[in-house]
This record gives sequence, C-alpha cells and structure tokens, in this order.
Amino acid sequence: AQTVTQSQPEMSVQEAETVTLSCTYDTSESNYYLFWYKQPPSRQMILVIRQEAYKQQNATENRFSVNFQKAAKSFSLKISDSQLGDTAMYFCAFMSRSGNTGKLIFGQGTTLQVKP
Amino acid sequence: EPEVTQTPSHQVTQMGQEVILRCVPISNHLYFYWYRQILGQKVEFLVSFYNNEISEKSEIFDDQFSVERPDGSNFTLKIRSTKLEDSAMYFCASSDDRETEAFFGQGTRLTVV
Repeated sequence: AQTVTQSQPEMSVQEAETVTLSCTYDTSESNYYLFWYKQPPSRQMILVIRQEAYKQQNATENRFSVNFQKAAKSFSLKISDSQLGDTAMYFCAFMSRSGNTGKLIFGQGTTLQVKP
Repeated sequence: EPEVTQTPSHQVTQMGQEVILRCVPISNHLYFYWYRQILGQKVEFLVSFYNNEISEKSEIFDDQFSVERPDGSNFTLKIRSTKLEDSAMYFCASSDDRETEAFFGQGTRLTVV
C-alpha cells in the first residue's frame, strides 16, 4: 500500500523569504502522480502543483516549484517570495496510475505560517 | 470559474440519526469523490464514483455509508446511523478524468452529538 509522509507538522517563514516543505512517499509503482494541495483557513482544498512521475523535469507554477527525487521517493515544495496569503495547511498527495480510480492518498499536512 | 458546491456548510445531528451531505460537482466532470478530515488530522479517501457506480472505497466506507447520484447534477453521501466518530469535515471532489486535477468543494462540517 502507498503511504505519504510529511515530517514537518508546522513551519514558519518571514514574508518575502523562501521556504521548503518536505514530503516522502512509499510505493512499488513506477507510474504515478504527485500533488501539493493548499488548505487555507477557509478549509477548501486548492491544488498548488502537480508532478507526473515519468517526467524528470520538476514542475513549477509561478512562485511554487517542486524538487522531485524519484529514486529517493521525495517530493518537496519550495515557495519563493512568501506572501501572507500563503499561510495555510499544505498537503502532499499521491495518485497511482495503476488501476486508477482517481483516489488521492494524502500526507498528514504541514501548517505554514507566513509572518509579516 | 466553475466550482464544486457543498451543502450544508455545517450540520449538527444526534447520534444514530441519518444524514445526507450534498454536493454539486462541476457540470462536465465524470468522476466524483468523497473525502473526510477529522479535525487536525489528514484528509482520508472515502469513495470514488464513476458511471453510476462505486469504483473504489476505503475501509472507512462501511455499510453505514452510501453514495448516490440521484439526478444529473447532485452527488450525495448518506450516513445511515451516525456515530460520534463520524464528526469530521467532509469534502466532495470531482474531476473530468481520473488522471487530472480533482477540484474540491468547501466542505461540510458534520458534528455528531
């Protein structure tokens, strides 16, 4: 069974600085997707970024980028130029492509606070 | 921008009562999901639904739970006899393909007393 682990329950960063959130996962599969979702205080889950495992190039989305290390099964999220609106809980998630039903497996989450 | 809509935003129910949580997925989406999040904990998969049938369900999704797409727009989660431990935030999600982004609703907070 696949598992996703986020070892940092809480993190903080000063506004305009850079922060990296860690995620590791365990799977025997070679073909899958990885995601980072943001959950602000409003509680809605919002997709931040997505990575396809067969692509070696790290995904980027404006200030958000990932460091995908397939062999190490690591998928960290870097937030550059942090803004107050980035304050939220961040979840790493795994989706298998084998027998895929669209199910997402989430990590425990990291609460990020951006300080002014 | 299209969005997934859930109602109600908060429901309080007595233990043992039946509840129905409602969702209106994005109109051209074909894949539908329910997840739950017990306060302060991770988001857990409950069920996925496609072509009017369950395609996968988790261990949490026991006989007390059921899902239905009663018409072309709504997708519901029913809990037949609620327990205290069913208290959680329930998220509906939908996607146009099982390998694309799932869009989440804003959640329904269920409180069982």
